[in-house]
Amino acid sequence: NAGVTQTPKFQVLKTGQSMTLQCAQDMNHEYMSWYRQDPGMGLRLIHYSVGAGITDQGEVPNGYNVSRSTTEDFPLRLLSAAPSQTSVYFCASSRRDRNTIYFGEGSWLTVV
Amino acid sequence: AQTVTQSQPEMSVQEAETVTLSCTYDTSESDYYLFWYKQPPSRQMILVIRQEAYKQQNATENRFSVNFQKAAKSFSLKISDSQLGDAAMYFCAYKGNQFYFGTGTSLTVIP
Repeated sequence: NAGVTQTPKFQVLKTGQSMTLQCAQDMNHEYMSWYRQDPGMGLRLIHYSVGAGITDQGEVPNGYNVSRSTTEDFPLRLLSAAPSQTSVYFCASSRRDRNTIYFGEGSWLTVV
Repeated sequence: AQTVTQSQPEMSVQEAETVTLSCTYDTSESDYYLFWYKQPPSRQMILVIRQEAYKQQNATENRFSVNFQKAAKSFSLKISDSQLGDAAMYFCAYKGNQFYFGTGTSLTVIP
């Protein structure tokens, strides 16, 4: 039962570097999203996609890009990493009705 | 915009006792879903329980139950017979057009 798979699980970046967090799901879910979790802030939506070729911004999109070329994959790109992007990132997916959301195991990112 | 408020940053409960975690939300929508997620130290997000707004009956899942008060926009989680494995961060979530999460309640279970 793969579900939602995120890689890498841990990453340390230097300020200004770019990187991509990978997310893949094998449940044929139309909806995918990226959240970041910061202490005392809960989970905040970065970007989301309702299907292949369609993406949209969430609550905190600045500094991040996404694309959705296939139903299965939804990578999150950090264009020029900043210490403020130090966080735990979660990818999630759900069916079109979005009545239940499934999370990956999280990616710990530290920007120094 | 929808907001979800968890006013208890930390809670504790004696093992085998009952604890209630509070959640309120703000929305103008009539059709939505509410959730409680558990996040243990591993950080995995685990669905605990789900409530459809159109259902008046409160959802239950084994030792977990909710008190859903639609008019008051309140959605509390009751954990009965608390176990050490229940220790975690608990997030309340609202789903309308998008998912919105509260800031979480850290639950400690005292042996």
